[in-house]
Amino acid sequence: AQSVTQLDSQVPVFEEAPVELRCNYSSSVSVYLFWYVQYPNQGLQLLLKYLSGSTLVKGINGFEAEFNKSQTSFHLRKPSVHISDTAEYFCAAMNTGGFKTIFGAGTRLFVKA
Amino acid sequence: DGGITQSPKYLFRKEGQNVTLSCEQNLNHDAMYWYRQDPGQGLRLIYYSQIVNDFQKGDIAEGYSVSREKKESFPLTVTSAQKNPTAFYLCASRGGGQIYNQPQHFGDGTRLSIL
Repeated sequence: AQSVTQLDSQVPVFEEAPVELRCNYSSSVSVYLFWYVQYPNQGLQLLLKYLSGSTLVKGINGFEAEFNKSQTSFHLRKPSVHISDTAEYFCAAMNTGGFKTIFGAGTRLFVKA
Repeated sequence: DGGITQSPKYLFRKEGQNVTLSCEQNLNHDAMYWYRQDPGQGLRLIYYSQIVNDFQKGDIAEGYSVSREKKESFPLTVTSAQKNPTAFYLCASRGGGQIYNQPQHFGDGTRLSIL
C-alpha cells in the first residue's frame, strides 16, 4: 500500500447511535487491511482484519468493516456505540507479500452520554 | 500471558543525552518494529527487524539506532542527534514468518519527554 487515508480526524456521536469511521487506501497491488483501537496511553489492539474472502468482516466489541475493492475503502461500523468505545481508531494496510504496514492518521471517536 | 513489554512507561531526556527504550516479547515472533506516534500523524516507522541480527531503517530512522541480538529483545536508542524526540514510542511484533498476513501486536508504549 502507498497510503491510507482516514477521512475524519474526529467523530462525535451520542451513546447508542450508529457510527461509521471511513478509511480509503491506495495500492497498486492486493492488500491486507486492519483496524486497530488505541485507548489513552496504551498500545494498539487489533479490532478486525480483512485478508481475503467475504468482504464483510466482523471483529471484537461489535465492530464490523466492509472491504470495497472498487472504491478502495474499508469503512468501520458499529450499530450502537457505548461510552467505552471512546478511543482512537487506526486503519492500516499491508501489501500481500510485503513486510511494512502503512497506518492512517487515526480517527478519534468521542461517545457522548 | 504472552505479550510485549515496553519500559519505562515514562522517560525524560536531557539535552545531549542518549536514552534507550526497552522492548521485550515472549510471543516467539521473528519480526519486530519501532514506531513513533505524534498527535494527528498516526504511526511512523523508525526501524524494523525481520530476524535476529538483522534490521532495516524505516521512514524516520535519523537520530535513532537499534540492535537485535536476541529474538525476544529489540531496544531503541534515541540519540542526541534526534532534535525533536518528544513523542510516544510504540514497539510491535509480528508472527507468521514468511506468511505476511498476520497483524502486529503492540506494547503499551513509552512516552519520552525533554527536560
